[in-house]
Amino acid sequence: EAEVAQSPRYKITEKSQAVAFWCDPISGHATLYWYRQILGQGPELLVQFQDESVVDDSQLPKDRFSAERLKGVDSTLKIQPAELGDSAMYLCASSLEGLLDNEQFFGPGTRLTVL
Amino acid sequence: GENVEQHPSTLSVQEGDSAVIKCTYSDSASNYFPWYKQELGKRPQLIIDIRSNVGEKKDQRIAVTLNKTAKHFSLHITETQPEDSAVYFCAASYTNAGKSTFGDGTTLTVKP
Repeated sequence: EAEVAQSPRYKITEKSQAVAFWCDPISGHATLYWYRQILGQGPELLVQFQDESVVDDSQLPKDRFSAERLKGVDSTLKIQPAELGDSAMYLCASSLEGLLDNEQFFGPGTRLTVL
Repeated sequence: GENVEQHPSTLSVQEGDSAVIKCTYSDSASNYFPWYKQELGKRPQLIIDIRSNVGEKKDQRIAVTLNKTAKHFSLHITETQPEDSAVYFCAASYTNAGKSTFGDGTTLTVKP
């Protein structure tokens, strides 16, 4: 069964450093989402792509976060510089495009610890 | 934007009992309501969903009900088993846009 892939699974960094996370969605899924999940809370959408275009990035802290999906397939989320409050699980999800196909499939996540 | 509230935050039941988790949403335009189960250290996985043209949906021991007028929906788990222990998240979204707003989760513990 196809799954969303993410790497790395764990990342420890010091504040002010740059970090990058990678996501490979399920083949054929046009929509890709990046979520941040703080312990004890639900996932919070950071950015949503439809193919290579950003559909929603209203909750993305654009002064330090950036995301791209250049060829409409895999995606990278970057944080520069990292802050202590960025420690969280970063989840990627993908879904098919269409009225009836917006079930989201999640990747295993990247757990970020900022020291 | 959409706001989703989920209750209770923790729920403990005896094996075999039923569990009910409730969510309310604020945006009447939301028309897709999934429920996800997240076991410790694992990714969220869809367990059941409901669309706004349906009032109830059932899948074996799991059911979801939707009241569009009151803007709330609930997850019902019957005959609970220890393996049902996990964090459950509700979400609300627009079908076309696919953007989901999640609740803060309910930690369900099923005691043997």
